[in-house]
Amino acid sequence: DGGITQSPKYLFRKEGQNVTLSCEQNLNHDAMYWYRQDPGQGLRLIYYSQIVNDFQKGDIAEGYSVSREKKESFPLTVTSAQKNPTAFYLCASNGGAGYTFGSGTRLTVV
Amino acid sequence: AQSVTQLGSHVSVSEGALVLLRCNYSSSVPPYLFWYVQYPNQGLQLLLKYTSAATLVKGINGFEAEFKKSETSFHLTKPSAHMSDAAEYFCAVSRGTASKLTFGTGTRLQVTL
Repeated sequence: DGGITQSPKYLFRKEGQNVTLSCEQNLNHDAMYWYRQDPGQGLRLIYYSQIVNDFQKGDIAEGYSVSREKKESFPLTVTSAQKNPTAFYLCASNGGAGYTFGSGTRLTVV
Repeated sequence: AQSVTQLGSHVSVSEGALVLLRCNYSSSVPPYLFWYVQYPNQGLQLLLKYTSAATLVKGINGFEAEFKKSETSFHLTKPSAHMSDAAEYFCAVSRGTASKLTFGTGTRLQVTL
């Protein structure tokens, strides 16, 4: 079955450590997105990529980095510069007809 | 710029009662509008979408929404709530099905016996 896989589902890290969230899709979609979800704030766009080897900042890119070396993969690194990294992170892809979302990664920084 | 406003962060209805979740949009171009549902610790599932065709859009699980340009609204309704409808609902707007989505802040629906 085609879809988006985010791993791990739950992630714990110590403050000051970088952490990378995985997002893989087998839908052959060109565009991929990362959203951050916080209670009462909806989903906010962190980064997006419309084609391999290219990506753009979203609304809240500070403290995050991404890469898009393969069409199938769009990993997100939460760096130590992100002031409040504890959140639910959702990855999505779009082949032109609409979005498909992953099941999310809940990151807790202690 | 595009934006959506969801009125009411929490809505509670009795099982069997009408569900009404409100969404108003702002857009300088004809909008594409979406409703998504999210169950705890899961991703988003598309309920329905408006793409400039029929103004009354029917979706999955008995939900529907009506696009009203004069009121800049796209409210979500369901005639009879079921316990399984308890979830968080997000309204979203974009310029097209392949464009960036801008989400509202969400409405958590509680269904009581």
